Amino acid sequence: DAGVIQSPRHEVTEMGQEVTLRCKPISGHDYLFWYRQTMMRGLELLIYFNNNVPIDDSGMPEDRFSAKMPNASFSTLKIQPSEPRDSAVYFCASSRWLGRSNEQFFGPGTRLTVL
Amino acid sequence: AQTVTQSQPEMSVQEAETVTLSCTYDTSENNYYLFWYKQPPSRQMILVIRQEAYKQQNATENRFSVNFQKAAKSFSLKISDSQLGDTAMYFCAFMEGLNGGATNKLIFGTGTLLAVQP
Repeated sequence: DAGVIQSPRHEVTEMGQEVTLRCKPISGHDYLFWYRQTMMRGLELLIYFNNNVPIDDSGMPEDRFSAKMPNASFSTLKIQPSEPRDSAVYFCASSRWLGRSNEQFFGPGTRLTVL
Repeated sequence: AQTVTQSQPEMSVQEAETVTLSCTYDTSENNYYLFWYKQPPSRQMILVIRQEAYKQQNATENRFSVNFQKAAKSFSLKISDSQLGDTAMYFCAFMEGLNGGATNKLIFGTGTLLAVQP
C-alpha cells in the first residue's frame, strides 16, 4: 500500500506569493491531519478532518492559512499571502477510526521556504 | 491544557548499549494515550510504541519498551541494544481520550535528538 503522499517535497517561494501544499491520505483512512514543524515551536497540529469535514482548526495560525478536503483522497493547505515566518516543514497524516487510539501515518513532509 | 515535556534535547549512546529517554506530561484527564515517534534524518515520522493509560502493563516492541508511571505522569522510552539506525529525533506525544475512544489530537514534546555512536 502506498503511504501518505505529499507534494511538492520542497517549495521555495517569495514573500507575498500563494503557496498550495497537497496531500493524498492512505486509502480507507477517514481522518486527515495537517501539522507544521519548526525549530522554535516544534510539531503543531494545524487542522484535522474527519470524513472530509474540518473538525478542529484551532491550530491554524491566521486567516492567511486555509485547508480544504474536497474528497476522501485529497486535501490542500493554502497560504496566501506567504511570509518568511511560514517557512517550516508541513506534514500531512492520516488515520482510520478504530474506536480507540488510532495510529497516525505521516507523509514525508513538504519543506517550505519563503524568501 | 495538556503539555508534554522532554527535558533532554540531545543524548548519545554507544552501539549495543541501552539508553532511556525521558518524557513527562501534564493532564487532568484519566483516559488518554501516549506515544513515542521517531524522526530519522529522512524526516519521516514513524510510530515506535504506544501506551494506553488504562493499561498498567508497560508496552514493549522488540528492543523498545516504556516505563509508564501514571501517578508521576512520566513516560520514558528505553532502547535496548542500540543500533546505528536508531539515530534520530524522538518525540513523545499525548492524545486525550474521549468517551472511550480518542480525540485524535496529538500533542508533541520538543524532541530528544539521539545519536548512536559506533
